[in-house]
Amino acid sequence: DIQMTQSPSSLSASVGDRVTITCRASQSISSFLNWYQHKPGKAPKLLIHLASSLRSGVPSRFSGSGSGTDFTLSISSLQPEDFATYYCQQSFSSPISFGQGTRLEIK
Amino acid sequence: QVQLVESGGGVVQPGRSLRLSCAASGFTFSNFGMHWVRQAPGKGLEWVAVIAYDEGHKDYADSVKGRFTISRDNSKRQLYLQMSGLRPEDTAVYYCARDLFERVPAPDGPLDYWGQGTLVTVSS
Repeated sequence: DIQMTQSPSSLSASVGDRVTITCRASQSISSFLNWYQHKPGKAPKLLIHLASSLRSGVPSRFSGSGSGTDFTLSISSLQPEDFATYYCQQSFSSPISFGQGTRLEIK
Repeated sequence: QVQLVESGGGVVQPGRSLRLSCAASGFTFSNFGMHWVRQAPGKGLEWVAVIAYDEGHKDYADSVKGRFTISRDNSKRQLYLQMSGLRPEDTAVYYCARDLFERVPAPDGPLDYWGQGTLVTVSS
């Protein structure tokens, strides 16, 4: 099974900051990497699939990159609504697996 | 618009059974693979099970294999998760989610629409 490891586990930042979250797979997953945003009491939201393809309706301040085993999610200028927990997920092989999450908090 | 609404959660004693349902609307349900994903209190997302659009493929996380069964009724636009032999560690919010791509024989995500979740608490 493929293990996904995110870093950092938590992150404090201010509105307007640029932040980067990393995700590492235990083996190569090509570009089969997806990013989700999850707020308490809400349904998780797919932000990016295939490592860098931004979903329709997701603001352009979100971007993803990487291939193989190392991936990043960047938010160029944090907005108040961006404070949430972010998860990576591999869809290269079954069983699909999520990273442990990165909690983005307001500084 | 796409809607997924879970139901069937509640408090159940260890060892007992429970069936979750997920009602789908706003899309051609019979064309999409569907997943169950759970989140235990204070923990991250954990994938539980998947079923292909035509039930031709089913798969489970090792943690639930042999205890949980995923199924669907395309005529009713319903997804189910039959849970038996429940354990305290199964306590979680359970989400149903749609696979992004249509008519995939063995869907592996991404998951583009999710429900709001239903809470299952396993406790004596």
